[in-house]
Amino acid sequence: GAVVSQHPSWVICKSGTSVKIECRSLDFQATTMFWYRQFPKQSLMLMATSNEGSKATHEQGVEKDKFLINHASLTLSTLTVTSAHPEDSSFYICSAGSITGGGEQFFGPGTRLTVL
Amino acid sequence: QKEVEQDPGPLSVPEGAIVSLNCTYSNSAFQYFMWYRQYSRKGPELLMYTYSSGNKEDGRFTAQVDKSSKYISLFIRDSQPSDSATYLCAMTYGGATNKLIFGTGTLLAVQP
Repeated sequence: GAVVSQHPSWVICKSGTSVKIECRSLDFQATTMFWYRQFPKQSLMLMATSNEGSKATHEQGVEKDKFLINHASLTLSTLTVTSAHPEDSSFYICSAGSITGGGEQFFGPGTRLTVL
Repeated sequence: QKEVEQDPGPLSVPEGAIVSLNCTYSNSAFQYFMWYRQYSRKGPELLMYTYSSGNKEDGRFTAQVDKSSKYISLFIRDSQPSDSATYLCAMTYGGATNKLIFGTGTLLAVQP
């Protein structure tokens, strides 16, 4: 149990295009999901907290209009990187915790984004 | 001062050794403590989850939480080359809606 999936697992796009990444909790419901980015050999950096049915909360320094988040249901959150540039190339990971669980969170496998 | 401190390593041990990984933290409000294992280019995998103080054992892994000292540990017995990964400690105030606070991660290499 407690499986989180992400799609796509990797994506290459041209500069200026938008990319959507999906995060799904497959066997549990999550009112809150979290989006991270990770650069090589660095720890996870929280970008935003995604709340089902309400606006996401972006961390300081993360542009909310560039990194759009939609939490459409208790099992799906999407991150859209708008007008992507090469500096947005990174590893994006989502996590979720069950609404019936404690504080533990489960992570997706990650999405590797390369912007040319 | 960071909320959670973790030695980044790298830590290199021979196969079969006992590995000790540690984190210290400053906020006494943390209630839930986790250890994650992350292989290169993969998402973190939850290894151990502990609520409040105490010990928890799962196979070769033992997690300890000492809230009085604000110190958590992960022990790996009979370490294997497949244990080579980055180990992240994480903690939160409580509930699935609260964000995790991570340590920087410790890179472990188990030499065959």
